[in-house]
Amino acid sequence: ETGVTQTPRHLVMGMTNKKSLKCEQHLGHNAMYWYKQSAKKPLELMFVYSLEERVENNSVPSRFSPECPNSSHLFLHLHTLQPEDSALYLCASSQGPSGRDNEQFFGPGTRLTVL
Amino acid sequence: SQKIEQNSEALNIQEGKTATLTCNYTNYSPAYLQWYRQDPGRGPVFLLLIRENEKEKRKERLKVTFDTTLKQSLFHITASQPADSATYLCALEEIYNQGGKLIFGQGTELSVKP
Repeated sequence: ETGVTQTPRHLVMGMTNKKSLKCEQHLGHNAMYWYKQSAKKPLELMFVYSLEERVENNSVPSRFSPECPNSSHLFLHLHTLQPEDSALYLCASSQGPSGRDNEQFFGPGTRLTVL
Repeated sequence: SQKIEQNSEALNIQEGKTATLTCNYTNYSPAYLQWYRQDPGRGPVFLLLIRENEKEKRKERLKVTFDTTLKQSLFHITASQPADSATYLCALEEIYNQGGKLIFGQGTELSVKP
């Protein structure tokens, strides 16, 4: 596979469930990102990892927990979510350690619905 | 913090015409600006990057301008085609201690009619 892949593409979960989103990049990039995209709203940056170290957390609720075991993989662990967390969750990667002056490559996203 | 505004209303144009999308920003002086295309249910795809010392950049039928005095970028698609229909996002950098990150506008939906 090439580019940035995300699994699953669609996820429906109850508020008491625990699930994980997976992202994998095949581009040899050093930085990875999680974004949330709600209807008619701008992409919201959730987490940034540079060289496997978290460098940014935009005050995201603790019910979202990221994990970056290596430079190619990124996870977003979900637990006790709320219906307002329903959104498209996008993973992205970039060449540079910080994403500065670097284009970002996005995965197809996971459409999450919380019941 | 950085505020980015794009045309909130959808832009409808006829095939063959030039589409012009606007991105205005406040409260910052970004070193560069990026434009992305997003199709429904898909992730954004990078189109163009323009730096603060570049007034204009072109790629095939696409042209981007960057006016740091007006704090505005314009994105043009010439000879538009129905396949150009999508949402277009602009993004600016915001600097933090360990580097930078992109802040995205809400996007403008473009519809090109045959």
